[in-house]
Amino acid sequence: SQKIEQNSEALNIQEGKTATLTCNYTNYSPAYLQWYRQDPGRGPVFLLLIRENEKEKRKERLKVTFDTTLKQSLFHITASQPADSATYLCALESGGSGNTGKLIFGQGTTLQVKP
Amino acid sequence: DSGVTQTPKHLITATGQRVTLRCSPRSGDLSVYWYQQSLDQGLQFLIQYYNGEERAKGNILERFSAQQFPDLHSELNLSSLELGDSALYFCASSGGFPSEGYGYTFGSGTRLTVV
Repeated sequence: SQKIEQNSEALNIQEGKTATLTCNYTNYSPAYLQWYRQDPGRGPVFLLLIRENEKEKRKERLKVTFDTTLKQSLFHITASQPADSATYLCALESGGSGNTGKLIFGQGTTLQVKP
Repeated sequence: DSGVTQTPKHLITATGQRVTLRCSPRSGDLSVYWYQQSLDQGLQFLIQYYNGEERAKGNILERFSAQQFPDLHSELNLSSLELGDSALYFCASSGGFPSEGYGYTFGSGTRLTVV
């Protein structure tokens, strides 16, 4: 069955360092992958979408890579700040045609940036 | 404010009861998605509507039902409630499909507590 795996252990880093979060998937052939940020008790917020033919995508301090051979996406936050502390979710469209828009989410990785 | 409105924000009810959660999508968005988030399960897809029609279904219990009205707002009905139904219920909308580059916009959720 389709599965998305994100590191369940929290990632603790020092302010100013680069945070790298991993999303692995199995039994998918996604045309795109999305990343979201979720703060406690709030709804996820869309950050970035990367397509299968894009190796890398950047938005301000965020960078996402997508390796369809390894079935993996890496999410980087450079020059991290305490305000970046949150849970980050990756999401893939689940099966079928490309037009349902139904996303399946990973469990998320919690990032804690210490000042 | 994301533009997606969910009401009520909190709901406490007894086992066996029925509740209705309401969602108003962002202006112009035709797709509405419902997700359940509990601590041990992460975000679980329930159901999707597109312009009033059911488009995709997840592992939604038979005790749960939903609909999208002509004005595009959506309601999620949960009946014969059990303790295990306690969770955060999120509604999301999108202006197009992820394959077109669209992400979801989530509401702030309804926290349901069944006692």
